[in-house]
Amino acid sequence: SQTIHQWPATLVQPVGSPLSLECTVEGTSNPNLYWYRQAAGRGLQLLFYSVGIGQISSEVPQNLSASRPQDRQFILSSKKLLLSDSGFYLCAWSVLPFGGNTIYFGEGSWLTVV
Amino acid sequence: QKEVEQNSGPLSVPEGAIASLNCTYSDRGSQSFFWYRQYSGKSPELIMFIYSNGDKEDGRFTAQLNKASQYVSLLIRDSQPSDSATYLCAGGGRGNFNKFYFGSGTKLNVKP
Repeated sequence: SQTIHQWPATLVQPVGSPLSLECTVEGTSNPNLYWYRQAAGRGLQLLFYSVGIGQISSEVPQNLSASRPQDRQFILSSKKLLLSDSGFYLCAWSVLPFGGNTIYFGEGSWLTVV
Repeated sequence: QKEVEQNSGPLSVPEGAIASLNCTYSDRGSQSFFWYRQYSGKSPELIMFIYSNGDKEDGRFTAQLNKASQYVSLLIRDSQPSDSATYLCAGGGRGNFNKFYFGSGTKLNVKP
């Protein structure tokens, strides 16, 4: 069965510090990968998605970046965090089988920028 | 314009009643629609997905899709206090670019 791992689970970072969140998927090949952010009391905002190694699409302009160095690894980074970067970050994956697809989430990473 | 819209609630129903959650979407090209449940502080978990017009039932849950009206709903029968959570509607899966857009969620409270 497929599983998705995301870490770290929680972190507190000062403004201006770098960020690296990592996500790996097991049990599937060539998944589509996503990073979402959920601000407190808000919905899920799609940040990045990737359909393959090295292929990253950004949904919104921001000081975050994403990379996909391996088929099942997705990394979210920032060189300098802002207070507004605080939130719940979710990695997700999907596969497009014949007839449709669904999206599954990792456990999430709580980021507090202070 | 938001891709997917939901009433934020909260929606309060007594235990045993039917809870009705609604969602509208703007992209007529969206092919797949999903309902997720999110408990406070946790990641969303998939409840149901629906691709075709009409109803789809799974246990106490029924998803309804009306593509002409761009409307998706979720009915929860025999609501339980454990159903209290935020319910997220999502649409997407257009072509090979599987971008999924989520509504802001409806908070459901089931009162014992």
